[in-house]
Amino acid sequence: GAVVSQHPSRVICKSGTSVKIECRSLDFQATTMFWYRQFPKQSLMLMATSNEGSKATYEQGVEKDKFLINHASLTLSTLTVTSAHPEDSSFYICSARDRGQLGQPQHFGDGTRLSIL
Amino acid sequence: QQPVQSPQAVILREGEDAVINCSSSKALYSVHWYRQKHGEAPVFLMILLKGGEQKGHDKISASFNEKKQQSSLYLTASQLSYSGTYFCGTTGNQFYFGTGTSLTVIP
Repeated sequence: GAVVSQHPSRVICKSGTSVKIECRSLDFQATTMFWYRQFPKQSLMLMATSNEGSKATYEQGVEKDKFLINHASLTLSTLTVTSAHPEDSSFYICSARDRGQLGQPQHFGDGTRLSIL
Repeated sequence: QQPVQSPQAVILREGEDAVINCSSSKALYSVHWYRQKHGEAPVFLMILLKGGEQKGHDKISASFNEKKQQSSLYLTASQLSYSGTYFCGTTGNQFYFGTGTSLTVIP
């Protein structure tokens, strides 16, 4: 079945470091990918919608300059957390929708646990 | 824009039933249901595409009331493996998760 690969699964780094997270759709083309952030005991909050070949659409309150999203191909979207600080520590997860499959389930990556020291 | 779920948390004994509700302030085009175990990605349960649609597999089923912009997830004869946090999700151009319902099944 459809698989989304997210890498890395865990990152621990110092404050001020930039961290890049990759999300790949392995066997389908994803014109749209979504990035979520989840704090402990909370829901998954949509950060941005990534569209292949165009700028990402960010949700209100999400800093575009801090969370850089690039969706350069139909199978790859990246999220870069720039100059990360401890408050950015969270579980980040991507999902992808098969091209033209609005009525189909989202396919999720396994998530990235980011810890900023 | 985030759908609201109720209850926020529920504790069941094995074999008991539960209902989780999902309500949106915006029109729902479809409703997805997911279950998430701690520290893991959400796992897809089912999707409902049309108002009035009901679906189910095993002992988990769901309904979708498009007019009321609501969906409900029904868990019958709960098993220990049902424990987790349940999220509804709604689609349009974006995909928003609901506020979540923590469900714990105890022996």
